[in-house]
Amino acid sequence: AQKITQTQPGMFVQEKEAVTLDCTYDTSDPSYGLFWYKQPSSGEMIFLIYQGSYDQQNATEGRYSLNFQKARKSANLVISASQLGDSAMYFCASYNTGGFKTIFGAGTRLFVKA
Amino acid sequence: EAQVTQNPRYLITVTGKKLTVTCSQNMNHEYMSWYRQDPGLGLRQIYYSMNVEVTDKGDVPEGYKVSRKEKRNFPLILESPSPNQTSLYFCASSLYGGGVNSPLHFGNGTRLTVT
Repeated sequence: AQKITQTQPGMFVQEKEAVTLDCTYDTSDPSYGLFWYKQPSSGEMIFLIYQGSYDQQNATEGRYSLNFQKARKSANLVISASQLGDSAMYFCASYNTGGFKTIFGAGTRLFVKA
Repeated sequence: EAQVTQNPRYLITVTGKKLTVTCSQNMNHEYMSWYRQDPGLGLRQIYYSMNVEVTDKGDVPEGYKVSRKEKRNFPLILESPSPNQTSLYFCASSLYGGGVNSPLHFGNGTRLTVT
């Protein structure tokens, strides 16, 4: 069964520094997608970045990049040059093309310090 | 503006009183889904719909009903709410089912309290 594990309930990072949020996934399907979403304190869910299982290169979107290590089944989110507005809950999620479910991890709450 | 609209944002009700949370999207998306968010558990899928008149259970469907009579609307129905359904609910839609390079677009959430 699909499973997403985020082992860091909470993290602190200094403003302007880079931070890595961990995500490991468990799936037996050869074709899948991995997503990261951000949830600010206002509560909405915002899509950040996507990585497909067959993508050869790590995905990047502005200050966000995804460190995809297929053999280790990890899809860590890297935020470069952290900003105060990055303080939020971050969710890793996976989707298997064999089903129609997007499975979410428990989330990591990031605090950016000035 | 492309969006998923959920109503109401906040709802306080009593045990057993039927309620409906509405969800509508204006992006012509095929796929719609309901999630509940609870602390420490992330988001868990309640029901999803691949198209009109096609719905299926997610991981936590007990106590909920859905319908998809029109492509744009996907209401969530709690026939007899119980306190363990107190949660933050999200409706989401995507073009191809939240699949490959098809991220979910979320509504703003509905915070439900059942006393």
